[in-house]
Amino acid sequence: QSVLTQPPSASGTPGQRVTISCSGRRSNIGSNHVYWYQQLPGAAPKLVIYSSSQRPSGVPDRFSGSKSGTSASLAISGLRSDDEADYYCAAWDDSLRGGVFGGGTKLTVL
Amino acid sequence: EVQLVESGGGLVQPGGSLRLSCVASGFTFSSSWMGWVRQAPGKGLEWVANIKHDGSEKYYVDSVKGRFTISRDNAQNSLFLQMNSLRAEDTAVYFCASGPYYDVRFDDWGQGTLVTVSS
Repeated sequence: QSVLTQPPSASGTPGQRVTISCSGRRSNIGSNHVYWYQQLPGAAPKLVIYSSSQRPSGVPDRFSGSKSGTSASLAISGLRSDDEADYYCAAWDDSLRGGVFGGGTKLTVL
Repeated sequence: EVQLVESGGGLVQPGGSLRLSCVASGFTFSSSWMGWVRQAPGKGLEWVANIKHDGSEKYYVDSVKGRFTISRDNAQNSLFLQMNSLRAEDTAVYFCASGPYYDVRFDDWGQGTLVTVSS
């Protein structure tokens, strides 16, 4: 069982807005930045959100992140078929003195 | 262009050892934190270890402490993961990744190398 909790699946139709949640503890999300990774089938993960709400260059502004207390969320608006992927949240955990990932959310574009 | 290329994966028996390597190019390796993240077949991502740019700080997930050692050679732009006392549950694709901090921000990733622990 992962330290960070994500729903196993999410779905939406093209053009819709979907949100993926990530729940943690004070020692991880509550105290540190949250990162979101997109993993396309058969590929390495790609950073899409850093410092809870910042987008790396090249990531479209359809992707946004937020954090409140011990929870975080990733929102994808204007859903496209090529957004279909697994999405993972991650954070440093001060108690464990290590990194933790969520179990991942498989996003399906219907 | 940033490139991270892993090698050294393969089939090893339980209790055996393996050394993974990652060669970096396209960025200032000696200024970057580096890490290993693994993914068991059909499973999610798991952070394994991080090392500071000068090698003075290292962090490990509890399940590999005492068995795995992360190290680097800045002169060769290389990152290593020495894996001893391997177990079936260590079977995974191991990704090398780079970032600016000690935490789990990884801006660039390698393509991964598969480690299979089986008799």
